Amino acid sequence: ELKVEQNPLFLSMQEGKNYTIYCNYSTTSDRLYWYRQDPGKSLESLFVLLSNGAVKQEGRLMASLDTKARLSTLHITAAVHDLSATYFCAVDLLIQGAQKLVFGQGTRLTINP
Amino acid sequence: NAGVTQTPKFQVLKTGQSMTLQCAQDMNHNSMYWYRQDPGMGLRLIYYSASEGTTDKGEVPNGYNVSRLNKREFSLRLESAAPSQTSVYFCASSEVVAGGSNTGELFFGEGSRLTVL
Repeated sequence: ELKVEQNPLFLSMQEGKNYTIYCNYSTTSDRLYWYRQDPGKSLESLFVLLSNGAVKQEGRLMASLDTKARLSTLHITAAVHDLSATYFCAVDLLIQGAQKLVFGQGTRLTINP
Repeated sequence: NAGVTQTPKFQVLKTGQSMTLQCAQDMNHNSMYWYRQDPGMGLRLIYYSASEGTTDKGEVPNGYNVSRLNKREFSLRLESAAPSQTSVYFCASSEVVAGGSNTGELFFGEGSRLTVL
């Protein structure tokens, strides 16, 4: 059974600081996704990582994937208040032709002025 | 494009009542999914449909049934609602990855907030 664990689960940080969210998973997979969720809203796709060593960047966020270590990271550079949200990683088990994503618990990020 | 549309957005039920959550997508995706979201537990897969005419159980299927009505629509039914089914339900769709160049990412609806008293 695939387990996906994120840490930390809660993160409060100041604007301008850097930090990293970690996503560990228990079974081999080459596909990992990061999503953002604002309170009361749906999930918005941030990054799609499709192979070992994949690195994607968008603004102050950068995601990477190490399939050998079964680890993905989401790095935040010089945080701003607008990045406050809950971030989920999800690992793909391709079963019977469907993307069966298993989600981590989410990391609630609060960025204070 | 509307993407993935869910109805209703909010619903309050009494224990034992039944209801159906509706989901439709206009992206011509083959695969559709129902997830539930509970505080501190991320999203958990209830049922999925890899393609029209097929459905399969996910991680937490007990108490639910689904119907893949056609390629666009995938409904979730609670036959006899229980307080433990109080949750936010998300429908999603994706394109099949195998042999293709698509990314396989899921596109989510806005969610349906269900309270069972």
